[in-house]
Amino acid sequence: GAGVSQSPSNKVTEKGKDVELRCDPISGHTALYWYRQSLGQGLEFLIYFQGNSAPDKSGLPSDRFSAERTGGSVSTLTIQRTQQEDSAVYLCASSLTGTGPTPLHFGNGTRLTVT
Amino acid sequence: DQQVKQNSPSLSVQEGRISILNCDYTNSMFDYFLWYKKYPAEGPTFLISISSIKDKNEDGRFTVFLNKSAKHLSLHIVPSQPGDSAVYFCAASAMRTNSGYALNFGKGTSLLVTP
Repeated sequence: GAGVSQSPSNKVTEKGKDVELRCDPISGHTALYWYRQSLGQGLEFLIYFQGNSAPDKSGLPSDRFSAERTGGSVSTLTIQRTQQEDSAVYLCASSLTGTGPTPLHFGNGTRLTVT
Repeated sequence: DQQVKQNSPSLSVQEGRISILNCDYTNSMFDYFLWYKKYPAEGPTFLISISSIKDKNEDGRFTVFLNKSAKHLSLHIVPSQPGDSAVYFCAASAMRTNSGYALNFGKGTSLLVTP
């Protein structure tokens, strides 16, 4: 079956430009997460969507970062006025929700390079 | 604040031998622990998990051990195979009202299994 799909797989942008990253979660998964991995670092939590509830934005590093999830499915992560420190791999994950924890399933990520 | 720590950035093991990857955590509220495997240019893939009510979980060649009093877990791979060469991430979570089971990740350990 189809896994989590992210696009583009690579994005090179100039400092100061805006970028949009897209995530298609696994069908039926109600929970969606965005993470990023900077060079030599672990995965850093950015934002969490659960169904129609208000998202948890506690991990977003600045107000230049925002995310939406339309119709409870596809999500876009937008970075405005990109900076060189935004360069990282941005990973999307989805999971089922139930009475207990379930593993997150990750996409292959978008490698963002800000020049 | 790194709540999940993998103190060995790399590990080299001979094929057929046991690989032991270690992980420490600081948050006593964590109640669900996972190991992910990551190949270059791919997203992390779920490997094995353990709930805090257990101290061992086994799946084929992979076994995870949890020592709650020491806030320590380990992943054992036996016998190790060259295809196991990858970066292994330890992750932990606790149910949070707003973030579901958002995972906290370590920085990873790069495992190399040599023939």
